[in-house]
Amino acid sequence: DVVMTQSPLSLPVTLGQPASISCRSSQSLVYSDGNTYLHWFQQRPGQSPRRLIDKVSNRDSGVPDRFSGSGSGTDFTLKISRVEAEDVGVYYCLQGTHWPFTFGQGTRLEIK
Amino acid sequence: EVQLVESGGGLVQPGGSLRLSCAASGFTFSTYWMHWVRQVPGKGLVWVARINSDGSTTTYADSVKGRFTISRDNAKNTLYLQMNSLRAEDTAVYYCAEGGVEYWGQGTLVTVSS
Repeated sequence: DVVMTQSPLSLPVTLGQPASISCRSSQSLVYSDGNTYLHWFQQRPGQSPRRLIDKVSNRDSGVPDRFSGSGSGTDFTLKISRVEAEDVGVYYCLQGTHWPFTFGQGTRLEIK
Repeated sequence: EVQLVESGGGLVQPGGSLRLSCAASGFTFSTYWMHWVRQVPGKGLVWVARINSDGSTTTYADSVKGRFTISRDNAKNTLYLQMNSLRAEDTAVYYCAEGGVEYWGQGTLVTVSS
């Protein structure tokens, strides 16, 4: 299985400051169709996962533009330009290129 | 509006069976792959199974292969997960998700305990 390694696992951030989460895969996530199926999710306490970023860098509808995704191959990053209180939760990367799809361990973002 | 509503969770004894359902609306269900994903409370997300649009192709995580069966009824816009030979380690919240993983249900809790 493809191993997804996130860092850091805990991310205390001051309101209004930027935050960055890294996600590395044990294999390239480029699929045969040329797409890279690396997605980012936010899970707020008590809620279902919510997709934020589709295929590396495409922000989903309704997602604030302070969220951005980048990367290629095996190395990916989620950035929040200015953290707000509503951003508290756990963030996961997901690879959907190789079966079984696999998630990173999750990064818990908290307000410092 | 896309909606996925899971049901069927509950308390079951080890070795028992349970069938989960996921009622879909707001999109053309019959044209999408569908997935089941589970999450032990307080832990991370793990893929369980997936099924293609007409139900002819299914894939399972090794941990559930031979015990769980994913299926769908496109006439009823409903996805199923038949879970047999349940173990304590199957205790989790089970989510259904549409093929592009943009939309998820609210989850249903399965507890396997004597």
